[in-house]
Amino acid sequence: EPEVTQTPSHQVTQMGQEVILRCVPISNHLYFYWYRQILGQKVEFLVSFYNNEISEKSEIFDDQFSVERPDGSNFTLKIRSTKLEDSAMYFCASSEVGTGGPTGELFFGEGSRLTVL
Amino acid sequence: AQSVTQLGSHVSVSEGALVLLRCNYSSSVPPYLFWYVQYPNQGLQLLLKYTTGATLVKGINGFEAEFKKSETSFHLTKPSAHMSDAAEYFCAVSPRGATNKLIFGTGTLLAVQP
Repeated sequence: EPEVTQTPSHQVTQMGQEVILRCVPISNHLYFYWYRQILGQKVEFLVSFYNNEISEKSEIFDDQFSVERPDGSNFTLKIRSTKLEDSAMYFCASSEVGTGGPTGELFFGEGSRLTVL
Repeated sequence: AQSVTQLGSHVSVSEGALVLLRCNYSSSVPPYLFWYVQYPNQGLQLLLKYTTGATLVKGINGFEAEFKKSETSFHLTKPSAHMSDAAEYFCAVSPRGATNKLIFGTGTLLAVQP
């Protein structure tokens, strides 16, 4: 069964360092997303990406965050200068485009746990 | 703005007992509705969804949920809990006609006692 894969599964970094989280969405999907879950809190939307550009972003997704689809398979989230409060599980997701627009069903990866020290 | 409320952050049931996890949404127009499950150290997996049509939807692992517009609810049920059902369950909504942005509830951690 097709799945979304994420790397690394866990990354520890020092405050102020740049981090890149990688995702390989399901191959025929065209919408891509990043969500995050701070420990003990709910899953929060960060950004959605379609047709090589951001289609929607939350207030969390500030200038220190960026996303990129560098090739035909990868989708990355970059955090330029990590802060302690960026420590969270980051989930990548993808969805296909249904008739008349998005189908509304997201497929999630297993997440990348980021720990900022 | 749309929002999701899950009553009860922790629910404990005995094996074989009924599982009922509550979800209410706030929206001027009924959104798409979802339940996701997160097993320990795993990602989010779709259990079931309601988009249109029959208001009682069946999902994987014997779970089902009923959309009740009058109550703005989408509660998740399973007649008989199994030990393997222990996980965190998230209700989510997505605006109709918009992107696939999901708005999640705070989650309910289900414990199943032997």
